[in-house]
Amino acid sequence: EAGVTQSPTHLIKTRGQQATLRCSPISGHTSVYWYQQALGLGLQFLLWYDEGEERNRGNFPPRFSGRQFPNYSSELNVNALELEDSALYLCASSLRTGHSNQPQHFGDGTRLSIL
Amino acid sequence: KNQVEQSPQSLIILEGKNCTLQCNYTVSPFSNLRWYKQDTGRGPVSLTIMTFSENTKSNGRYTATLDADTKQSSLHITASQLSDSASYICVVGDQTGANNLFFGTGTRLTVIP
Repeated sequence: EAGVTQSPTHLIKTRGQQATLRCSPISGHTSVYWYQQALGLGLQFLLWYDEGEERNRGNFPPRFSGRQFPNYSSELNVNALELEDSALYLCASSLRTGHSNQPQHFGDGTRLSIL
Repeated sequence: KNQVEQSPQSLIILEGKNCTLQCNYTVSPFSNLRWYKQDTGRGPVSLTIMTFSENTKSNGRYTATLDADTKQSSLHITASQLSDSASYICVVGDQTGANNLFFGTGTRLTVIP
């Protein structure tokens, strides 16, 4: 069974640019979550999508947005990039049924570096 | 405020020794507590998930305990191996239905030969 896959592995941008990160969940998983992990800090919740809808959003500005496609894959878009957006962005997926206790399976992340 | 605190921040142990990592939380209403292992440069991998009614759960050499009354959890690693070197993250979920998870900043474990 293929795990959660994220692309690209690394992404280098400059301030003010826009970045798009992609995530493919495990087959059969309908929920996709996005997290930011800045160096030395814990994971910060960004977004939760399920069945194509945004279900919950973390405490991030509106320039962080995303969407989930009919095949349950997802995109995270970050506009007007700032230096502090440099971080590892992790995507996770889970089953929807009884979701509160479902394990989240993580990809290996996209390392976004802002110059 | 919902918080998850882990201790120690870092730990160095000899291969073959046991160790225990601690997690205290203030998340309410409580739904579940998870322990994840994160190798450097990789995504976290789930070790255990415990609900309110469970006070211990094992996964191989990893044993997690939960005391919901004192809002404390521990992760015990038995007979450590070099491959156990990683960050261990405690995560607590709430019951609000918004699938909120609160992450600790992790304990960095280094196992030396």
